Amino acid sequence: NAGVTQTPKFRVLKTGQSMTLLCAQDMNHEYMYWYRQDPGMGLRLIHYSVGEGTTAKGEVPDGYNVSRLKKQNFLLGLESAAPSQTSVYFCASSRGQPFLNTEAFFGQGTRLTVV
Amino acid sequence: AQSVTQLDSQVPVFEEAPVELRCNYSSSVSVYLFWYVQYPNQGLQLLLKYLSGSTLVKGINGFEAEFNKSQTSFHLRKPSVHISDTAEYFCAVRSTMDSNYQLIWGAGTKLIIKP
Repeated sequence: NAGVTQTPKFRVLKTGQSMTLLCAQDMNHEYMYWYRQDPGMGLRLIHYSVGEGTTAKGEVPDGYNVSRLKKQNFLLGLESAAPSQTSVYFCASSRGQPFLNTEAFFGQGTRLTVV
Repeated sequence: AQSVTQLDSQVPVFEEAPVELRCNYSSSVSVYLFWYVQYPNQGLQLLLKYLSGSTLVKGINGFEAEFNKSQTSFHLRKPSVHISDTAEYFCAVRSTMDSNYQLIWGAGTKLIIKP
């Protein structure tokens, strides 16, 4: 089983460039999330989706956009990358509300460097 | 609001020795508590969680954690570590009253196993 797959795994961007990170899950999960992980800090939620066609802002949404056109995919876009967006990005999905009765499954992460 | 403090950013320990990874939280209301593990080049996976009941929680791979309400702690322990336990460990918390079902994450502790 693939589970949660993130594409790409590594990327270097120049300041001002744009890119899209793809998260794909094959578990028919309703909920999907994008997090960033920075040194010395815990995971911070960027955006999330509770179903196809829905998105919502998390804790640190500025500078990012997302789309959930298909249930299995959750895209994270950076329109104009900034060095402050250098981070490791994790996608996760869950069948229902996560962390209590349903487990969240995480992808392997995307390491993004903005120079 | 809740916060999580993982007191050690790195814990080096010899193989087959016991280990304790410390986690303290702050919250004015009751909480759910979690430990996640991130093996090298992988996403996070649930190690164990405390929702209610017995304060001693057993997880995967021989780990256990004890919820201490008076000390607001949820330390993770293993009596004998193996080289395969090399990973980063994250403590997380969520209020039982919170309608926002996301977790507040600690900054992580890297467990370094010395042969």
